[in-house]
Amino acid sequence: AQSVTQPDIHITVSEGASLELRCNYSYGATPYLFWYVQSPGQGLQLLLKYFSGDTLVQGIKGFEAEFKRSQSSFNLRKPSVHWSDAAEYFCAVAPMTTDSWGKFQFGAGTQVVVTP
Amino acid sequence: SQTIHQWPATLVQPVGSPLSLECTVEGTSNPNLYWYRQAAGRGLQLLFYSVGIGQISSEVPQNLSASRPQDRQFILSSKKLLLSDSGFYLCALGPGTPQETQYFGPGTRLLVL
Repeated sequence: AQSVTQPDIHITVSEGASLELRCNYSYGATPYLFWYVQSPGQGLQLLLKYFSGDTLVQGIKGFEAEFKRSQSSFNLRKPSVHWSDAAEYFCAVAPMTTDSWGKFQFGAGTQVVVTP
Repeated sequence: SQTIHQWPATLVQPVGSPLSLECTVEGTSNPNLYWYRQAAGRGLQLLFYSVGIGQISSEVPQNLSASRPQDRQFILSSKKLLLSDSGFYLCALGPGTPQETQYFGPGTRLLVL
């Protein structure tokens, strides 16, 4: 069965420290991969996406993610977090078949708390 | 640029009452539109998607229905709300090609009491 797993429900990190959020997927073939961020009470904002090519993807707000096919992972990283990075982060996958494109499947999310 | 409007922003409804949530989009034509629900402490679940006027596909069986009366309007409805319908409902504007980004609206927070 297809699935997206974010193993960490909640992460607390100090401001200025590095952050890594994990995402693992289970699909028949490599899907399209995304990371979204949701601030409290808000919709979702796309941070970055991977379709093909370079496995290290740069996104907005200083985030990057690395696709590792052998591990079926797409982990999100930021070298130095800011207090404004406190939010919920969602990993998402979408199948590559044209009849299923756009039918995203989301992980359960990781809540990030940033402490002073 | 593409914009998604959702209303109301917040809604408190009694169990058994009807529901109508509206999503309208601007800046695009013939979009793919999606309804997601985010229950408390859970990820997003795709409820419905539509590739055109009058074309609705349901992803999960439930107490809800969707309609697309106009190209840029997507409505989520229920005849009788259940407690389990509480959640955060997000409308999304889907990509027509893999190179496009899926955009999400601001959401409607629904509390069923």
